[in-house]
Amino acid sequence: SQQGEEDPQALSIQEGENATMNCSYKTSINNLQWYRQNSGRGLVHLILIRSNEREKHSGRLRVTLDTSKKSSSLLITASRAADTASYFCATVKNQGGKLIFGQGTELSVKP
Amino acid sequence: GAVVSQHPSRVICKSGTSVKIECRSLDFQATTMFWYRQFPKQSLMLMATSNEGSKATYEQGVEKDKFLINHASLTLSTLTVTSAHPEDSSFYICSAGQSYSNQPQHFGDGTRLSIL
Repeated sequence: SQQGEEDPQALSIQEGENATMNCSYKTSINNLQWYRQNSGRGLVHLILIRSNEREKHSGRLRVTLDTSKKSSSLLITASRAADTASYFCATVKNQGGKLIFGQGTELSVKP
Repeated sequence: GAVVSQHPSRVICKSGTSVKIECRSLDFQATTMFWYRQFPKQSLMLMATSNEGSKATYEQGVEKDKFLINHASLTLSTLTVTSAHPEDSSFYICSAGQSYSNQPQHFGDGTRLSIL
């Protein structure tokens, strides 16, 4: 079952612009993770943010987590054409490590 | 980084055939692996949790007799789609991770299954 919503479902921007994707979830979580998927491929892990963290950075990626609103955002700064992919948030509820995915955002970065 | 290998990458077969998909963790031991199904333009739906040395745990609505999972070693889990029909056509992805939940999962590259 899906954990929640992601918006927008699709995002098209020009190279150099920033891209922001949002994710909402329904239950309490242990951590929230963001993954990237190129068309027809598996998923690549981007960032993991724990429930007691509010913000995390990795290169051009910035993730925020608001547990009171049960929401997270992924910001990609200075986007590149190579960032074109689908981006998924996924929550982990307990020690079992089971990932429950959001609906995903399809990002298109035009050169 | 950790690598998960999934084979085959693509299968095309006739209705009624059983298809086995392998998922291997190449450089770490995975007591738990996960199997997902993904339809075009949609998200990943967890099918089952594969536990080394014990029975898999299936998500609600997933037929365990249809999707057989075997996790015989710490580096290999297999998903067998039995007597596949066209509605079983989909993209199947496995993942594996360390024992702790605060670690990311590592995904295979997926298997595109097409049943004619």
